[in-house]
Amino acid sequence: DADVTQTPRNRITKTGKRIMLECSQTKGHDRMYWYRQDPGLGLRLIYYSFDVKDINKGEISDGYSVSRQAQAKFSLSLESAIPNQTALYFCATSDFQQGGRGEQFFGPGTRLTVL
Amino acid sequence: QKEVEQNSGPLSVPEGAIASLNCTYSDRVSQSFFWYRQYSGKSPELIMSIYSNGDKEDGRFTAQLNKASQYVSLLIRDSQPSDSATYLCAVKTPGTYKYIFGTGTRLKVLA
Repeated sequence: DADVTQTPRNRITKTGKRIMLECSQTKGHDRMYWYRQDPGLGLRLIYYSFDVKDINKGEISDGYSVSRQAQAKFSLSLESAIPNQTALYFCATSDFQQGGRGEQFFGPGTRLTVL
Repeated sequence: QKEVEQNSGPLSVPEGAIASLNCTYSDRVSQSFFWYRQYSGKSPELIMSIYSNGDKEDGRFTAQLNKASQYVSLLIRDSQPSDSATYLCAVKTPGTYKYIFGTGTRLKVLA
């Protein structure tokens, strides 16, 4: 079984629609992250959460919101999708370790297309 | 200057050769370094992590870290066509939340 799962895996939607991407993990990690990946721009951090009560903006949070429903679940919402939010979205987890060395693990990704 | 720099490639090597992938970083206090493999349209897969100067070997993969030169590399021995992918370098500074990723080097192993 996959340690980090994302649903849906693919989604096509229209401008202005609300979209929710979901992430679940069975790794028992406390830290969860949402990234988007665009060709030539690499991975960019949208939001991150260190625990259920600790949610923080990343470098490109405008137009997105998140919810950490439980230690194992972290959802990303696009309240009103726009075409430039078309991208590959990844959820990731990491385990906090002494000195912050924790390895980060990625879910399979969601390919989102906004028409 | 980008925080983590990688040559975008493509780096082409013949099957069976050693592929050498390089990464430089700008933050001198960085302590954790990671290499990910990403196939087209798929998610990054962690293949190596390294924290101390020197070499770390895992199967056909060797990560090399030189903190004085702010340089980390990945060697892939006996390269196989299945190694053809984009390799991402990531760097983490202690006490921060951020993993800084390079934009990746595309490797092509020619059969």
